[in-house]
Amino acid sequence: EAQVTQNPRYLITVTGKKLTVTCSQNMNHEYMSWYRQDPGLGLRQIYYSMNVEVTDKGDVPEGYKVSRKEKRNFPLILESPSPNQTSLYFCASSLSVQGGWANIQYFGAGTRLSVL
Amino acid sequence: SQQGEEDPQALSIQEGENATMNCSYKTSINNLQWYRQNSGRGLVHLILIRSNEREKHSGRLRVTLDTSKKSSSLLITASRAADTASYFCATHGSSNTGKLIFGQGTTLQVKP
Repeated sequence: EAQVTQNPRYLITVTGKKLTVTCSQNMNHEYMSWYRQDPGLGLRQIYYSMNVEVTDKGDVPEGYKVSRKEKRNFPLILESPSPNQTSLYFCASSLSVQGGWANIQYFGAGTRLSVL
Repeated sequence: SQQGEEDPQALSIQEGENATMNCSYKTSINNLQWYRQNSGRGLVHLILIRSNEREKHSGRLRVTLDTSKKSSSLLITASRAADTASYFCATHGSSNTGKLIFGQGTTLQVKP
């Protein structure tokens, strides 16, 4: 089954304790992206990757890191989480960056993070 | 601010009625997409309309696009309780970054 898998689904942590949220897709997609969703602010892009070893900042990259060493995986790293990073996080992938059908994004089920 | 702005923010209707949601955007687009999100879950793609198209249908969904007004609408006909969800428009611009810009969404409640 084609899917984007995020782990963990729920995470409660404390300020300053490094964490990683994993994301994996099995569709051989080139493009992957991380979003955070907050009430009243919609989805905001954190980082994206157009292919292996190619990553770039989105709209709200501060406090986050990513890597893309393999095509299927795109982990999100919070080196020193803070309470303002409490949010619902989504990983998404699409076939490519081209327009049209290749641009349709497939989302993971989400990771709800609470930083105390 | 978000490129896509949706209206209304919330909509409550009875089962069987039609639901219409609107989306406005600011810059030129390659395509516009609509996504659905059940509470707290990931977004699911519903329909894509290209910038040179004016109307698309998919089952009970009808999407229109007016590039002169930079707006789109999503119509769900004969709504069902299972249509209760949040609906987001997302625009893909002319750049080659693949970025989708999402609106803040319309929350639809369909009462049985």
